[in-house]
Amino acid sequence: GDSVTQMQGQVTLSEDDFLFINCTYSTTWYPTLFWYVQYPGEGPQLLLKVTTANNKGISRGFEATYDKGTTSFHLQKASVQESDSAVYYCVLGSNYNVLYFGSGTKLTVEP
Amino acid sequence: EAAVTQSPRSKVAVTGGKVTLSCHQTNNHDYMYWYRQDTGHGLRLIHYSYVADSTEKGDIPDGYKASRPSQENFSLILELASLSQTAVYFCASSPDWGANQDTQYFGPGTRLLVL
Repeated sequence: GDSVTQMQGQVTLSEDDFLFINCTYSTTWYPTLFWYVQYPGEGPQLLLKVTTANNKGISRGFEATYDKGTTSFHLQKASVQESDSAVYYCVLGSNYNVLYFGSGTKLTVEP
Repeated sequence: EAAVTQSPRSKVAVTGGKVTLSCHQTNNHDYMYWYRQDTGHGLRLIHYSYVADSTEKGDIPDGYKASRPSQENFSLILELASLSQTAVYFCASSPDWGANQDTQYFGPGTRLLVL
């Protein structure tokens, strides 16, 4: 069945550091891949979407790409800020708009 | 701006009691979903619905029932609450057409504590 694996449970960086989060996925369909972000006390919200058509998504300084050969997808940002502190989920889209969430990466950015 | 509201925002229930969590959306979306969030597991799908008066099982439906009486409302029902159902529950909706057809819009969550 469809699944997503997100290995980095916590990441701590300093402001202006480079961020890189990696996930792997498994699906029998052409994948639609997402990154959702969750701030404390809120529900997750869409950050980026990547499809087989565009291979890349960019939003708010974040960039997401995927590699079909290794069935992996990545989130990166050149220079993180304290306001980027949140939990980031890699997510795989399936039929009926069903989403499969990874376990999340808690990003803490220190000033 | 998409709007999904949940009630109650937090609840304390007793083991064996009945719990109903409610979700309301004003987005005119056909799809609605219930997830639970536990530390270390991300979000896991419990039930979903793509049309009123019909529900489908997600990945972890055991111990939960769902009801979709209208397009706007989707409830999650715990007939016999158990300790293991302590979690944060999120409702979401998504459209079935258009540029954002596979984007889900989440509510703020309901924190459930079963004692």
